[in-house]
Amino acid sequence: NAGVTQTPKFRVLKTGQSMTLLCAQDMNHEYMYWYRQDPGMGLRLIHYSVGEGTTAKGEVPDGYNVSRLKKQNFLLGLESAAPSQTSVYFCASSYSRGTGTGELFFGEGSRLTVL
Amino acid sequence: GESVGLHLPTLSVQEGDNSIINCAYSNSASDYFIWYKQESGKGPQFIIDIRSNMDKRQGQRVTVLLNKTVKHLSLQIAATQPGDSAVYFCAENSGYSTLTFGKGTMLLVSP
Repeated sequence: NAGVTQTPKFRVLKTGQSMTLLCAQDMNHEYMYWYRQDPGMGLRLIHYSVGEGTTAKGEVPDGYNVSRLKKQNFLLGLESAAPSQTSVYFCASSYSRGTGTGELFFGEGSRLTVL
Repeated sequence: GESVGLHLPTLSVQEGDNSIINCAYSNSASDYFIWYKQESGKGPQFIIDIRSNMDKRQGQRVTVLLNKTVKHLSLQIAATQPGDSAVYFCAENSGYSTLTFGKGTMLLVSP
């Protein structure tokens, strides 16, 4: 059981380049999330999805786009990378408790550096 | 000088001591709370959770206490071990389908 898998694990980009981070989960979870983690800032929600074909903005969505074409996959895109997007990105998935989300299961992270 | 915001609160303990990590949450309507552990270079891992209709919940070597009156959550780790060294985050389910995370506390355990 792989859980949540993120690819790639490391990437270096030049300012203005584009890239896509892929997240895959094999737990049949409805909810999926992309967070970024910066020193001293904790985990900040970028975008999330409550089901296949749906996405919503989180706390820091600017400069990112997402897609959830299949239930098991959640893609995070950077159309024109900026140095401020240098961060560690975490994908997570969760089930519904009926009254809200359950615990989040996280991937191992993707470290992105924008020069 | 450096911004204070870059530095995590740190708790330093000796191996075998009990550790208490505290967290203040923001939304009085939050009904579910979770503690996560994050080791260096890894993703956060679930430790224990608690619903708002409970004051205390125990796991293996860990206990979570919830005080809704003052919106405070704590994580107690018994007989702390070097392998417990990590950053600990509390999270609250303040939106229906999202969790809001605190900024974290670093726990350092000396042998």
